[in-house]
Amino acid sequence: EVQILETGGGLVKPGGSLRLSCATSGFNFNDYFMNWVRQAPGKGLEWVAQIRNKNYNYATYYAESLEGRVTISRDDSKSSVYLQVSSLRAEDTAIYYCTRSIIDYWGQGVMVTVSS
Amino acid sequence: DIQMTQSPSFLSASVGDRVTINCKASQNINRYLNWYQQKLGEAPKLLIYNANSLQTGIPSRFSGSGSGTDFTLTISSLQPEDVATYFCLQHNSWPYTFGAGTKLELK
Repeated sequence: EVQILETGGGLVKPGGSLRLSCATSGFNFNDYFMNWVRQAPGKGLEWVAQIRNKNYNYATYYAESLEGRVTISRDDSKSSVYLQVSSLRAEDTAIYYCTRSIIDYWGQGVMVTVSS
Repeated sequence: DIQMTQSPSFLSASVGDRVTINCKASQNINRYLNWYQQKLGEAPKLLIYNANSLQTGIPSRFSGSGSGTDFTLTISSLQPEDVATYFCLQHNSWPYTFGAGTKLELK
């Protein structure tokens, strides 16, 4: 069974940074691209970032609205993917979901609240 | 960016009704279109991938159709457990983009 678990959310002050982690199991992590998607309270879904696998040289892609403030990375030995977000703003307040591949499986999400 | 225009935004239907939800892409996305169901307080769940392929474990009353720019999600006979918000996603080109969602309620 595919399992995806995000951790690392919480309350952060504007201008602060946060590192989200995503641990996976139940599939061959090395074979898959991984993504982060977010959903602001009461809003729709926004794709944030993707990291490809070793076959694609771990290429990364970012939403333009976040580029320069986010870094996605992965550790294949731990079947985990990470999202570092800096210079946080109130509009970054959202549930952040870790998702697999063409967004077939989702974690339960982790809440990030940016507020003073 | 490819814009995904989803309609309707809100839908009220009765148990047993046939329900259709549409997504229109601002440019050709071939068949790279997924449909998701999101129940209150839960993560989205994939229903349909690549326009018309039913995800494993999803009831056969859900189906998808379309290609190019126009896509449809159909629920052949609405069940009470189908109350949810439905989203489409294009994964043809960067950045991936979602429709705004359709909130489906029981009449």
